[in-house]
Amino acid sequence: DIQMTQSPSSLSASVGDRVTITCQASQDISNYLNWYQQKPGKAPKLLIYDTSNLETGVPSRFSGSGSGTDFTFTISSLQPEDIARYYCQHYDNSAALTFGGGTKVEIK
Amino acid sequence: QVQLVQSGAEVKKPGASVKVSCKASGYSFTAYYMHWVRQAPGQGLEWMGWINPNSGGTNYAQKFQGRVTMTRDTSISTTYMELSRLRSDDTAVYYCARPFGVVIGWGQGTLVTVSS
Repeated sequence: DIQMTQSPSSLSASVGDRVTITCQASQDISNYLNWYQQKPGKAPKLLIYDTSNLETGVPSRFSGSGSGTDFTFTISSLQPEDIARYYCQHYDNSAALTFGGGTKVEIK
Repeated sequence: QVQLVQSGAEVKKPGASVKVSCKASGYSFTAYYMHWVRQAPGQGLEWMGWINPNSGGTNYAQKFQGRVTMTRDTSISTTYMELSRLRSDDTAVYYCARPFGVVIGWGQGTLVTVSS
C-alpha cells in the first residue's frame, strides 16, 4: 500500500506569510494528488486537484506543485480565514484513497 | 446542488453494529461512486471504502475488510455503511463523500460513539 507522509504536522505563521506544506508518497503516484482544507466541526473542502489545479471558487493564494513522490502545497499570503487543518490525498486506479496525516495551520 | 444528508448520531456498546445512511440529491446517484471516510476525535481522515451505486460493487480498505458492509438503495438514492464488532476506537465522525471529480460533496457527518 502507498503511504503519504505529510509535514510538518503543525505550523504557526503570521498573516501575510508564505506557508508551505509537503507531502511525500512512498512510491511514484504521478500527479494523482489532491489537497483539502478542514475547519473545526466541518467536512473537508477540496482546494487543489491533480497536484496543481485550483478547484472552482478557491482563492488564487492557494497553489500546488510536484510530481512522482514529492508534492508541495503553498499559501502565498496567509489570511486569518486560512486557519485550518490541511490534508493531502492520493487516489489510485481502483479509486482507493490514502490521506496524509494532516497539517494544522495557526496564526502566530 | 449536490446534497448528501446523513442519519443522526449513534451510541453503541462494544461488540454491536452500526448502520449509517447517506441520502444523495442534486446529481445522478448511480453515476458516481460514494466513498466513506471517518475521523476519530482530534485525528486525521481515514478512508474506509467506496460503493458503486450502479452495480453495488464495493472496494473496502484492508483495515476494515470483514467488518464493513456498504450497500445502496437506488429507489431512494441512499447508500449505507454498516460497521460491525464495534470497539471503542471506532468512535469517530463518519462521512459519506464524493470528495473530488465531476460531482463533489460531503455529508454533514455522523458521530458514532462506542462506549460501555
